[in-house]
Amino acid sequence: DAMVIQNPRYQVTQFGKPVTLSCSQTLNHNVMYWYQQKSSQAPKLLFHYYDKDFNNEADTPDNFQSRRPNTSFCFLDIRSPGLGDAAMYLCATSRDLASWGETQYFGPGTRLLVL
Amino acid sequence: EDQVTQSPEALRLQEGESSSLNCSYTVSGLRGLFWYRQDPGKGPEFLFTLYSAGEEKEKERLKATLTKKESFLHITAPKPEDSATYLCAVQEGEGSQGNLIFGKGTKLSVKP
Repeated sequence: DAMVIQNPRYQVTQFGKPVTLSCSQTLNHNVMYWYQQKSSQAPKLLFHYYDKDFNNEADTPDNFQSRRPNTSFCFLDIRSPGLGDAAMYLCATSRDLASWGETQYFGPGTRLLVL
Repeated sequence: EDQVTQSPEALRLQEGESSSLNCSYTVSGLRGLFWYRQDPGKGPEFLFTLYSAGEEKEKERLKATLTKKESFLHITAPKPEDSATYLCAVQEGEGSQGNLIFGKGTKLSVKP
């Protein structure tokens, strides 16, 4: 089945220690997104890639970076995690961008805990 | 100012007790309105896309409707397995990149 896969499902890191979360997709979609979701809050878009074109949201901290080495994979790097970065990180994909009602499909998420 | 508001924040129903969830929005040039279901500790699962006022979509016990300012998710004779948080998201038009704007969700609990 075509899907969005995130690894690991749970990640524990130490304050200030760099961490990388990964996302892969078998949908062959052009767009990949990273969202941050804290408890009982709406998902917050951090950035997205349209093919290799990177688009950062204005309020995304510099501490968050992303890489997309190919169509299938996208990584979220947190350079120096703080306690406030503990959250669920969601990867999503869509076939295209800025088209009429393109559906985004989400992965299962990675729960990040910062000690 | 919130552009997408969902109500109620939480809803408790008895099994078989039908109800509706509301999603109101203020974005301009709506391209699409999306409903997702999210179980605890999991990613949102896509349910419906609505594009224009008057449109309706159904899936099992769920029915989504859309007007110019809001959408409703009707749940008919719910079962305990329908318990989840239901998220509404809208996709802007008019010069935007089509990003989704999410509401905070309605947490539904269905008791047997």
